[in-house]
Amino acid sequence: AQSVTQLGSHVSVSEGALVLLRCNYSSSVPPYLFWYVQYPNQGLQLLLKYTSAATLVKGINGFEAEFKKSETSFHLTKPSAHMSDAAEYFCAVSSPEYGNKLVFGAGTILRVKS
Amino acid sequence: DAGVTQSPTHLIKTRGQQVTLRCSPKSGHDTVSWYQQALGQGPQFIFQYYEEEERQRGNFPDRFSGHQFPNYSSELNVNALLLGDSALYLCASSPTGSGGSADTEAFFGQGTRLTVV
Repeated sequence: AQSVTQLGSHVSVSEGALVLLRCNYSSSVPPYLFWYVQYPNQGLQLLLKYTSAATLVKGINGFEAEFKKSETSFHLTKPSAHMSDAAEYFCAVSSPEYGNKLVFGAGTILRVKS
Repeated sequence: DAGVTQSPTHLIKTRGQQVTLRCSPKSGHDTVSWYQQALGQGPQFIFQYYEEEERQRGNFPDRFSGHQFPNYSSELNVNALLLGDSALYLCASSPTGSGGSADTEAFFGQGTRLTVV
């Protein structure tokens, strides 16, 4: 079975500060990992994905994430937060053994203060 | 490219009624998945269609059923609606030839907000 835990349902940062959103996964097989962003009243947009190539993955809008197998983590970071980054972020896992069914975490709402 | 389109955007139904939600995948995509996102939660996988057949199914009762048409569009049907079925229903499509490749990006629609009263 696969599962995802996102630590912190709400994260608040000041504009220009580091953004760190935490994601830990559980998978009995090598996983593929994804970060999606959801703006109010919209669907999900892919930020980045890890598919067993480089462990440090760069995505859109300046976000990046590092796959750490020993820690079963895939935390999302951005060096400098912008007001437009305020949204809900979801970490998700899939694997070939489970097709491309995505298993999502509960989400983290990011608030950016001016 | 219109992306993934879903209709309707909002819907209010009464307990016990039936509802049909519709999804048109992104151009060139042949795999469609449906997810339920309850308020304050992450999306939960309902089922996936490929080549007009249900490929995978999540832990949802038989009241939830679907269909995929030859043009790859899809419908989600929910019978005997319960208050707990109130949620945002998301459709996601994947590129042609993926057939279930787990590393393929899924493109999501904006969802249908279903309220059961």
